[in-house]
Amino acid sequence: AQSVTQPDIHITVSEGASLELRCNYSYGATPYLFWYVQSPGQGLQLLLKYFSGDTLVQGIKGFEAEFKRSQSSFNLRKPSVHWSDAAEYFCAVVIGSSNTGKLIFGQGTTLQVKP
Amino acid sequence: DAMVIQNPRYQVTQFGKPVTLSCSQTLNHNVMYWYQQKSSQAPKLLFHYYDKDFNNEADTPDNFQSRRPNTSFCFLDIRSPGLGDTAMYLCATSREHNQPQHFGDGTRLSIL
Repeated sequence: AQSVTQPDIHITVSEGASLELRCNYSYGATPYLFWYVQSPGQGLQLLLKYFSGDTLVQGIKGFEAEFKRSQSSFNLRKPSVHWSDAAEYFCAVVIGSSNTGKLIFGQGTTLQVKP
Repeated sequence: DAMVIQNPRYQVTQFGKPVTLSCSQTLNHNVMYWYQQKSSQAPKLLFHYYDKDFNNEADTPDNFQSRRPNTSFCFLDIRSPGLGDTAMYLCATSREHNQPQHFGDGTRLSIL
């Protein structure tokens, strides 16, 4: 069955340090991949997406992600974390077509930023 | 700015008392979704509309229903809420099923 795995439930980094959040997916075809961020009490905001083409995609707020087909991964990175980046991060994949596609979420990773 | 707006942001209701949550969009997207999100969990899809076509997830409880009277509005009706229905309810829209979804800020529902 199709699935998305975020191995790290909780990550703590110091402000200014680099960040990498891991995401692995299980899907036979090339998926459409997304990273969303959710601040407490808020909805989900799209950080970036991968559909095709360049495997390194740039997003908002200084985030980037790299699609690696051989590893079935789509890890999110940021070179220097800010305190405002503390939030819940969800990796997601759309499976299916434009008529039937469904968004499958990973379990989420909670990011804590130390001053 | 084009957006997805949910009302109310917070709702407290009594056990068994019907409640309706609303969602509106200015994006003119074809698809509207309702998700339930419990604490420290990922959003769980309840159902969605593609235009006027309704699609219910297999494990969505029977007392959860939805209406989409026009392109812009979609409602979530909980006929007889139980304590286990306390959660954040998120509305989202997308142009097509495989396109990015745009989320509202959610309605935090508490059942007492």
